[in-house]
Amino acid sequence: AQSVTQPDIHITVSEGASLELRCNYSYGATPYLFWYVQSPGQGLQLLLKYFSGDTLVQGIKGFEAEFKRSQSSFNLRKPSVHWSDAAEYFCAVGGSLAEYGNKLVFGAGTILRVKS
Amino acid sequence: EPEVTQTPSHQVTQMGQEVILRCVPISNHLYFYWYRQILGQKVEFLVSFYNNEISEKSEIFDDQFSVERPDGSNFTLKIRSTKLEDSAMYFCARVAPTGVGANYGYTFGSGTRLTVV
Repeated sequence: AQSVTQPDIHITVSEGASLELRCNYSYGATPYLFWYVQSPGQGLQLLLKYFSGDTLVQGIKGFEAEFKRSQSSFNLRKPSVHWSDAAEYFCAVGGSLAEYGNKLVFGAGTILRVKS
Repeated sequence: EPEVTQTPSHQVTQMGQEVILRCVPISNHLYFYWYRQILGQKVEFLVSFYNNEISEKSEIFDDQFSVERPDGSNFTLKIRSTKLEDSAMYFCARVAPTGVGANYGYTFGSGTRLTVV
């Protein structure tokens, strides 16, 4: 069965420090991987996605993620966190339209707190 | 300009009442989805809709739920008799498969917060 694990429920980092949010997935085919960010009471904003090719993908707001097939991971990183990055981050996995109708399976989320 | 608009943004309803949540995607989108997020929990798939019919639904999507695209534009989720546990944020999503790989787009609307009292 498809699943996504985000091991860290909460993470607190200082402003200006680097960030890495972990995501591990279980998927029976070539995964399509996504990171979304959600501010309180708001919708889901796509940060970045991976389908194929270069395993290091760049997203918006200075985020990047690296796909490691051998580790079934898709960790999100940012070199220098800003206070405005405080939010909840969701990793999601899906498949191709032909294979799986591309519904997404989400992780439980990681709440990022930024301290000044 | 958002690609997927949801209305209303917030709805409060009495238990047992019917609610209709609306999603207005761009007209050439083919694949539509509803997801829900109970407060403090993960986002969960409810149903996918392709070519004017349900293509997949989850265990959550029981007989109380229905979806349709009555006028070829709005995509609606109806809950016939709401329960307290239906209180959640409901997200509409669309995929516009304009190509393979990098053109694969999965966009969520801003959500409707449903509160059942």
